[in-house]
Amino acid sequence: DVKVTQSSRYLVKRTGEKVFLECVQDMDHENMFWYRQDPGLGLRLIYFSYDVKMKEKGDIPEGYSVSREKKERFSLILESASTNQTSMYLCASSFVPFQPQHFGDGTRLSIL
Amino acid sequence: EDKVVQSPLSLVVHEGDTVTLNCSYEVTNFRSLLWYKQEKKAPTFLFMLTSSGIEKKSGRLSSILDKKELFSILNITATQTGDSAVYLCAANFGNEKLTFGTGTRLTIIP
Repeated sequence: DVKVTQSSRYLVKRTGEKVFLECVQDMDHENMFWYRQDPGLGLRLIYFSYDVKMKEKGDIPEGYSVSREKKERFSLILESASTNQTSMYLCASSFVPFQPQHFGDGTRLSIL
Repeated sequence: EDKVVQSPLSLVVHEGDTVTLNCSYEVTNFRSLLWYKQEKKAPTFLFMLTSSGIEKKSGRLSSILDKKELFSILNITATQTGDSAVYLCAANFGNEKLTFGTGTRLTIIP
């Protein structure tokens, strides 16, 4: 069965900290995605990756970076966390771009 | 700009009712439309639609796409409390990305 695992369900950090969110998939998928989900705004794409060491900006990349050193792992980095980055973060993966994406359970991140 | 709009934003019905959720899109290079169900955790995939007029069905859920009028509907018959969730619609516009609507929050009252 498809499995996307996010390292933390809940995370509390302070303004200015560097924050790492980790995502691992066990399906040998080429494509991985990071979204944030906010009330009234739906899911918005931050970054995605279609291959190891490859990354593309999504719709709201500002304040974020990503790393994909291995196929199964995609990390989201908040370089200097700010309160407006408090949100639910969802990781997803898919085998090919236009096939259904499989989601992790999400990380609810609070920046104080 | 690629855009997906869902309606209604929220819906409250009684158990046993039938509901219809709507998803419309503005397209530049449409490829597919997907429906997801999100309870407290990960969105789970329901349907992917690529062709007009072909109904996809899974138990009490069904969905259809109209590429001429640029919309899709998700029907749930004989609703149960376990159907309470946020239903997400997303479209692929011929690239690697999905564009999501804001979702419809469905609440089923026993």
